Amino acid sequence: AQKVTQAQTEISVVEKEDVTLDCVYETRDTTYYLFWYKQPPSGELVFLIRRNSFDEQNEISGRYSWNFQKSTSSFNFTITASQVVDSAVYFCALSELYNNNDMRFGAGTRLTVKP
Amino acid sequence: DSGVTQTPKHLITATGQRVTLRCSPRSGDLSVYWYQQSLDQGLQFLIQYYNGEERAKGNILERFSAQQFPDLHSELNLSSLELGDSALYFCASSSRPSLAADTQYFGPGTRLTVL
Repeated sequence: AQKVTQAQTEISVVEKEDVTLDCVYETRDTTYYLFWYKQPPSGELVFLIRRNSFDEQNEISGRYSWNFQKSTSSFNFTITASQVVDSAVYFCALSELYNNNDMRFGAGTRLTVKP
Repeated sequence: DSGVTQTPKHLITATGQRVTLRCSPRSGDLSVYWYQQSLDQGLQFLIQYYNGEERAKGNILERFSAQQFPDLHSELNLSSLELGDSALYFCASSSRPSLAADTQYFGPGTRLTVL
């Protein structure tokens, strides 16, 4: 069965520090999709990235970068030069191609960026 | 703004009651997903509809049901409510039937409180 583990419950950093949020997943499928979502204090879920299992290229979008490593079943998210506006709960999620769109979320990591 | 709308924003009701949550997907999207976010269970996928038909089912209780109407809006019906049903209920939409090649966008959520 698919499973997503975000071991870091809460992380607190000072502005301008770099921070990495860990995500480890379990799946028996060879085709699957990994996602990161941000949930700011206002409550809505904001899509950040989708990555399929055949694309292990790392991705960078501004201050955000993602490191996908199939060998360790990890899909880690790094924020460079963090800002107060990055404070939110971040969720990693997994969807298996043949599991009828049943997306499984990790428990989330609460990131607090202090000024 | 994701383009997905949900009403009402907040709902307070008593145990044993029945409520209906409403979701309007983004313009052009045919898929609607429902999720529940609670402190105990985290974020859980409930059910998906695509173009009026049920497409996938997750951890949805028998007391809960959903439907998607010809105008593509969806309703989630929760009956015989229990204290444990108190949660944030999200709706998400996407254009295709599968998350394999698509991204889903979340609405702002409906916060249900059962007293």
